[in-house]
Amino acid sequence: SQKIEQNSEALNIQEGKTATLTCNYTNYSPAYLQWYRQDPGRGPVFLLLIRENEKEKRKERLKVTFDTTLKQSLFHITASQPADSATYLCALDNYGQNFVFGPGTRLSVLP
Amino acid sequence: GAGVSQSPSNKVTEKGKDVELRCDPISGHTALYWYRQSLGQGLEFLIYFQGNSAPDKSGLPSDRFSAERTGGSVSTLTIQRTQQEDSAVYLCASSFALAGPGSPTDTQYFGPGTRLTVL
Repeated sequence: SQKIEQNSEALNIQEGKTATLTCNYTNYSPAYLQWYRQDPGRGPVFLLLIRENEKEKRKERLKVTFDTTLKQSLFHITASQPADSATYLCALDNYGQNFVFGPGTRLSVLP
Repeated sequence: GAGVSQSPSNKVTEKGKDVELRCDPISGHTALYWYRQSLGQGLEFLIYFQGNSAPDKSGLPSDRFSAERTGGSVSTLTIQRTQQEDSAVYLCASSFALAGPGSPTDTQYFGPGTRLTVL
């Protein structure tokens, strides 16, 4: 059966450092991978989408990589700030078939 | 314009009662999704609607759960004979379109959720 794993449940880093979150999957061949941010008491908010034939995608301080051989995506936040503290979810997409979210990683950026 | 709205924001009910949760998607969005999120857990897909097509109900956990979407807009998720394990946040999302050949699932815009507590 399909399985998606994300980091440890929680990740603490110091302000200014680069946060790296992982998303690993098995028994799935996604054509796309999306990352969302979720703050407490709110719904997830879309951040980035990367296609299977793209190695890397950037948006401001965010960078996503997608390795279909390793079945892994890495999500980086450079120069992290306390305001980046949230839960980050990866989501796998195969043209709408079996669109599925990972369990999320709770990131805390400490001042 | 307005985002996705959900009502009520909180619902406390007694075991065995029926509940209805409402979702108003973004105007013009043809796809609508329902998810469930238990405390500290990821999003569990329940059902999606795309235009006038038959909904994909593959994620509904039991026959106590049903959903409808009237006029291609507002959706209602109904849980009959609620159980304590139904307690969770129920999230609704909408997108402009569902994926097609060669295109990804469009960005989903989420509502704030309805927190359901079954006593």
